[in-house]
Amino acid sequence: AQTVTQSQPEMSVQEAETVTLSCTYDTSESDYYLFWYKQPPSRQMILVIRQEAYKQQNATENRFSVNFQKAAKSFSLKISDSQLGDAAMYFCAYRSATETSGSRLTFGEGTQLTVNP
Amino acid sequence: EAQVTQNPRYLITVTGKKLTVTCSQNMNHEYMSWYRQDPGLGLRQIYYSMNVEVTDKGDVPEGYKVSRKEKRNFPLILESPSPNQTSLYFCASSRLRATNEKLFFGSGTQLSVL
Repeated sequence: AQTVTQSQPEMSVQEAETVTLSCTYDTSESDYYLFWYKQPPSRQMILVIRQEAYKQQNATENRFSVNFQKAAKSFSLKISDSQLGDAAMYFCAYRSATETSGSRLTFGEGTQLTVNP
Repeated sequence: EAQVTQNPRYLITVTGKKLTVTCSQNMNHEYMSWYRQDPGLGLRQIYYSMNVEVTDKGDVPEGYKVSRKEKRNFPLILESPSPNQTSLYFCASSRLRATNEKLFFGSGTQLSVL
């Protein structure tokens, strides 16, 4: 079974600075997908960024980028030029690429990010 | 607008009183699932369904039931709720054969069992 670990329960960053959230995972599969979801106080689950394991290039979405290290099974999220609206709980998630598991996501414990003005 | 609709958003109940949380999606998705979110544990899958009349257990199915009689609806049933089922619940859906696509989440149901 796959597991996802976020070792930082809480992080804080000053507005306009850069912060990196850590995520490690364990799997015996070679083909899978990784995601970062944001959950603001509204509780909505918002997809921030996704990475296909077969792609070596790190995914980027505006101020959000990932550092995907497949051999190390590491998938960190970097937020540049942090904004007050980035304050939220962030979840790392894993999804197998095999059909038999459907679309199931395995989530990490979450990291609560505070952005200080 | 493509969406997953969950109701109610908040629910307070007492131990043993049967309840149902409804979930409906308007995207013709085959796959639907339920998660619960608890502090320090992230989201954990309760049950999932790959199509009408096809359901299976997730990681934490004890104390829950589901049904999938129609493609758009996937209700979560707690026949005898207990305080350890106090949690934030999410319904989610996606196309089945598009594993790199995002999962569409409902807005969550905060359940308190007294």
